[in-house]
Amino acid sequence: EVQLVESGGGLVQPGRSLRLSCAASGFTFDDYAMHWVRQAPGKGLEWVSGISWNSGSIGYADSVKGRFTISRDNAKNSLYLQMNSLRAEDTALYYCAKDSGQWLHTPFDYWGQGTLVTVSS
Amino acid sequence: DIVMTQSPDSLAVSLGERATINCKSSQSVLYSSNNKNYLAWYQQKPGQPPKLLIYWASTRESGVPDRFSGSGSGTDFTLTISSLQAEDVAVYYCQQYYSTPEAFGPGTKVDIK
Repeated sequence: EVQLVESGGGLVQPGRSLRLSCAASGFTFDDYAMHWVRQAPGKGLEWVSGISWNSGSIGYADSVKGRFTISRDNAKNSLYLQMNSLRAEDTALYYCAKDSGQWLHTPFDYWGQGTLVTVSS
Repeated sequence: DIVMTQSPDSLAVSLGERATINCKSSQSVLYSSNNKNYLAWYQQKPGQPPKLLIYWASTRESGVPDRFSGSGSGTDFTLTISSLQAEDVAVYYCQQYYSTPEAFGPGTKVDIK
């Protein structure tokens, strides 16, 4: 059974940093691209970032480019999101999502339950 | 960047009736080399993560009931629920995965009338 478990969320002050993690199991992690998708309270889905199976292809939403960094450790079956210079508008539930292919540009077939990030003073 | 729009924002349909949701992309998501539309539909029920329903615009994900169907090509797409069931109450999102950012539409909320 595919499982994606996010962690690392919490309350953080504006301008500070936070690192999210996603622990994957139930599939061969290094065969698939992975993504972060966020959802602000009561709002829709926003794609944040994606990374190919070998970290060779990475993409970011304009809203986080230069502030967030996605990475993965295939030996640890883990996906990460380093979030710097956090803003109030980054407040959201952050989902880890598994791509159905090795590279970006295929649909997301499994999602975690999300970890909540709240940016507030 | 490709921008996704959906209509309507919400709709209420009687049990057993048809629900139709439209999705439009600002640029074509049809890749000519493989003739595939890079368009997916997701269902999100309250308190749950999204669930993949349809990909390549019209291919149902394994386990998805056949009352759900997708159609369209290029820039205009439709998700149809042929006979609405109580468990279909949710928000439905389209998404293009043709290019990054792999944008979602704003969502359409489906309720029972």
